[in-house]
Parts: sequence; C-alpha cells; structure tokens
Amino acid sequence: QQQVKQSPQSLIVQKGGISIINCAYENTAFDYFPWYQQFPGKGPALLIAIRPDVSEKKEGRFTISFNKSAKQFSLHIMDSQPGDSATYFCAASRAGNNRKLIWGLGTSLAVNP
Amino acid sequence: EAQVTQNPRYLITVTGKKLTVTCSQNMNHEYMSWYRQDPGLGLRQIYYSMNVEVTDKGDVPEGYKVSRKEKRNFPLILESPSPNQTSLYFCASSFRGSGETQYFGPGTRLLVL
Repeated sequence: QQQVKQSPQSLIVQKGGISIINCAYENTAFDYFPWYQQFPGKGPALLIAIRPDVSEKKEGRFTISFNKSAKQFSLHIMDSQPGDSATYFCAASRAGNNRKLIWGLGTSLAVNP
Repeated sequence: EAQVTQNPRYLITVTGKKLTVTCSQNMNHEYMSWYRQDPGLGLRQIYYSMNVEVTDKGDVPEGYKVSRKEKRNFPLILESPSPNQTSLYFCASSFRGSGETQYFGPGTRLLVL
C-alpha cells in the first residue's frame, strides 16, 4: 500500500518552463513533507521541506505548495534549467514511530536545452 | 567536510559469498539507515539504527544484517547474497530520526551473479 503517491513518473520540460510534480498522501497525521533531489550517480539530497502550518514555501526557483484539505503537496520548479534534470522524491513523516519517512516512488525530470 | 562515506562503490560478487558494505558518517548523527533503490520501486528502507547498539528492521530486511557498535559506523552485511539483492544501496544519517534532514552516501552498486 503506497501511502505517498507521486506523479508523474517522468516529466520532460523545456528550458525556462515550469516543472510540476505532485504528491498525495493518506495519513492525516503526517506533519513533515520533504522533497529530495537525486542526480545520476549520487545519493538523494534534501531540496526543500514544509510543515502543514503553512501553505507554501519558496526557496529560489523551488516552491512547495501544500493543500491540507486535499492531502496533496507539490513541487514547482520555475524557470527550469538543464541542471535541474534529476530524480525528485517526495516524502512524508509524522511524530513518533522514529519519524519514519514514507517515500514516493520518484519522478525523473529532464529539462531540454 | 561533513559527509557519509560508503565502501565499496561498486561490487560484483557471486551467489552465497558473504559481503559487507561499510558506511561511516562524521557528523555525530545518532540515526543511521540503509536503503536499496530499484527502478520503479523508489527507496526502500532495509534497516535503521536510532543509536549505538539499537537497530531495527525497515521495510525489506530479509537477507540483510546490520550492526552499530560505534556511533559513526553502520555496516550492511549480506551473509548469503542472492541475485534478487542486486541493487543500488544507500546509507543515510540524520541527527535524530528519519524525519529530519537525512544525509545520503554516494551509493554502492551491487551485482550478484
């Protein structure tokens, strides 16, 4: 049972365009929602994270939008660049249970020059 | 430099030949974890450790062992590797739990023939 559903599985965007990756979760007890970025041949690295007390968090060209009622959160990459080509993972966790991270299956993003 | 190191980075072995993948972190993190990454299956947690001498099963622990005798080291042991353990393995660490920023190692690509 996939508790965090990520879509799309793959995405191709033109340079300068907006990349949007969506995640949906089921457990309303989740209170921490990070996005990790993984380049080929590297381990994942935290990109940006949000907690449900805010609806949006922006860091540079990367924005998380959070919709608590819909149990969805999304990553927006503005002015997408070829250097953004990577796999992106969303995840969620809740207090307790060692704060186990529940991962989405990942989105492979390719930004064409 | 703060980092998680893994060795070896690449390994080809044969079925049944015991192997150990080492993981070390220099950030004084309490929490360490092992993941395997397979196409279409995302990141799946194998084992984790909340602190020295404290380890617990993740989602896919069968066929693996771990130990945490020192805070900085968390080796992954495959007592009798099988071809279905061919995968990309990542070690990760964080200050307290998986719900905090996790720092990933560079990965170990394992092929079991």
